[in-house]
Amino acid sequence: DGGITQSPKYLFRKEGQNVTLSCEQNLNHDAMYWYRQDPGQGLRLIYYSQIVNDFQKGDIAEGYSVSREKKESFPLTVTSAQKNPTAFYLCASSLWTGGSMNTEAFFGQGTRLTVV
Amino acid sequence: KQEVTQIPAALSVPEGENLVLNCSFTDSAIYNLQWFRQDPGKGLTSLLLIQSSQREQTSGRLNASLDKSSGRSTLYIAASQPGDSATYLCAASNTMNRDDKIIFGKGTRLHILP
Repeated sequence: DGGITQSPKYLFRKEGQNVTLSCEQNLNHDAMYWYRQDPGQGLRLIYYSQIVNDFQKGDIAEGYSVSREKKESFPLTVTSAQKNPTAFYLCASSLWTGGSMNTEAFFGQGTRLTVV
Repeated sequence: KQEVTQIPAALSVPEGENLVLNCSFTDSAIYNLQWFRQDPGKGLTSLLLIQSSQREQTSGRLNASLDKSSGRSTLYIAASQPGDSATYLCAASNTMNRDDKIIFGKGTRLHILP
């Protein structure tokens, strides 16, 4: 089945540790996004990537890092520099063809990170 | 900078009623607008996508409209059911460029009363 997969669903880490969240898509989408969702805050953009080996900071990139070595994969690392990492993290992807576009975005099921 | 607003934040409606959810955006130069549904603790499910050249899209009991000149989109749900209870989010995509971003509203939490 085609889709976008986030793993793990739940993640617990001790304060001060780095942790990497996985996001994989087999939709052949160019663009991938990471969002953070907190209660009452809506979705906030962390990082996004429109092409392999290129990515851009979103609105709340501090304390996070990403890589885009393959089109299918866009892992997010939550570093110890992130002051309040406990949140629900959502990954998304969309198609961009540069001409006739269909930028419908598809989301994974999310990873709930709890830092203790 | 694009801002997307959804009012009200929460809405309760008796089962069977038709209802409208609202979404407003500040920059009318959008490329498309998308409506999503989110169940508690889950990811987002795409419901409808409206391209800027379109006025509306329909899928089953759902109808989404787009009025770029007024900066508004609405999601109409006909004959509401308890299974429609969820948070509904709208998102605007602004440009055709490589730095295109999708900007979300905070959502409307809908509760259908049995």
